[in-house]
Amino acid sequence: GENVEQHPSTLSVQEGDSAVIKCTYSDSASNYFPWYKQELGKRPQLIIDIRSNVGEKKDQRIAVTLNKTAKHFSLHITETQPEDSAVYFCAASLWTGNTPLVFGKGTRLSVIA
Amino acid sequence: DVKVTQSSRYLVKRTGEKVFLECVQDMDHENMFWYRQDPGLGLRLIYFSYDVKMKEKGDIPEGYSVSREKKERFSLILESASTNQTSMYLCASLPQGHGDEKLFFGSGTQLSVL
Repeated sequence: GENVEQHPSTLSVQEGDSAVIKCTYSDSASNYFPWYKQELGKRPQLIIDIRSNVGEKKDQRIAVTLNKTAKHFSLHITETQPEDSAVYFCAASLWTGNTPLVFGKGTRLSVIA
Repeated sequence: DVKVTQSSRYLVKRTGEKVFLECVQDMDHENMFWYRQDPGLGLRLIYFSYDVKMKEKGDIPEGYSVSREKKERFSLILESASTNQTSMYLCASLPQGHGDEKLFFGSGTQLSVL
């Protein structure tokens, strides 16, 4: 089955700097790669996702890149703000309605003001 | 807005008790999931269901069972609770076949087994 590795487990950045979180996956058939953000005491929420037919996707200060050959994808957050502090989870799946998401172990991002 | 409601935010049970965690979603989603969240281990899938009365094992089903008698409700059952089942349990739902793969999570149940 699919296995997703996520690094680093913790990340501290100064406000205004960029943050990068990296994930690798094992199943070359996986075609869907979302990122979820979980603020302290709250439920995880989807912030951005990418499908295998696209190499990069941006939404304001966040972007995700995908390298299918190397089987890795990354989350990039630019101009970080204190409200970006949270745990971020990457995930992968071959979403056909029968293969659920496999999540990475999470990255705790702290943005220091 | 989709609502996924978990019946309890905090629960304390004794070892050996039978525990029911309830999850209800109000958007007629076909798919429902139970995850367990532990620090440093991320979100691990316990069971999922694609339809009423249907269930599939996830990555860590041992010690758990599920029930889906109605489309909107997905219950997680701990047949005989043990201390290693102390954890945060998250329910999620997902519509099927609409090209929208966004998981909607409940707010979680923090279960402590003493």
